[in-house]
Amino acid sequence: HSVLTQPPSVSGAPGQRVTISCTGSSSNIGAGYDVHWYQQLPGTAPKLLIYGNNNRPSGVPARFSGSKSGTSASLAITGLQAEDEADYYCQSYDSSLSGSGVFGGGTKLTVL
Amino acid sequence: EVQLVQSGAEVKKPGESLKISCKGSGYSFTSYWIGWVRQMPGRGLEWMGIIYPGDSDTRYSPSFQGQVTISADKSISTAYLQWSSLKASDTAIYYCARQDIAAASWFDPWGQGTLVTVSS
Repeated sequence: HSVLTQPPSVSGAPGQRVTISCTGSSSNIGAGYDVHWYQQLPGTAPKLLIYGNNNRPSGVPARFSGSKSGTSASLAITGLQAEDEADYYCQSYDSSLSGSGVFGGGTKLTVL
Repeated sequence: EVQLVQSGAEVKKPGESLKISCKGSGYSFTSYWIGWVRQMPGRGLEWMGIIYPGDSDTRYSPSFQGQVTISADKSISTAYLQWSSLKASDTAIYYCARQDIAAASWFDPWGQGTLVTVSS
């Protein structure tokens, strides 16, 4: 079981908006640690999508945005496109795990 | 261009040892942490541990402590992940990635991954 909980799957039609949640606890997200998001296209290495809760690296479209509140964080994708179909992972830090980072279990996004 | 290039795929038998590598280029190798992430077949990402090549400070996830060893040779800008006795359950893709600040920071960029297959 992952320390950070994500829904196994979400789906949406092209052009729609979808959100992916990442739920933690008082020892990770709730303790104020940043959340980062990654996109993993089939057969490829993960790619940084959002860092520091709501910052986009250069080259990542503005359709992707992140937010954080309390013990949870969310990734929102607007104007859904076929090429957004991928696995998405959140990542944070957990003070109860001896200085270890943690990932969410991942969410498979299907574009209908 | 900041780049991490990993060693090639490996096929090993249970009980054998293995050391895979991750070579950094395009940045000061000793100024950033390097992390290792496991992805078992059809599964999600797992944070294994990180090393700071500047002084070899190393941190492990409790799940991987004692199961693997992370090291680095700063003279050749290369980090390593090694096993002394592989198990079938070690079959996975292993990624290395650069991290700005220990553990709490993000991973970017990532290596291309090394597929390790352990089978008798």
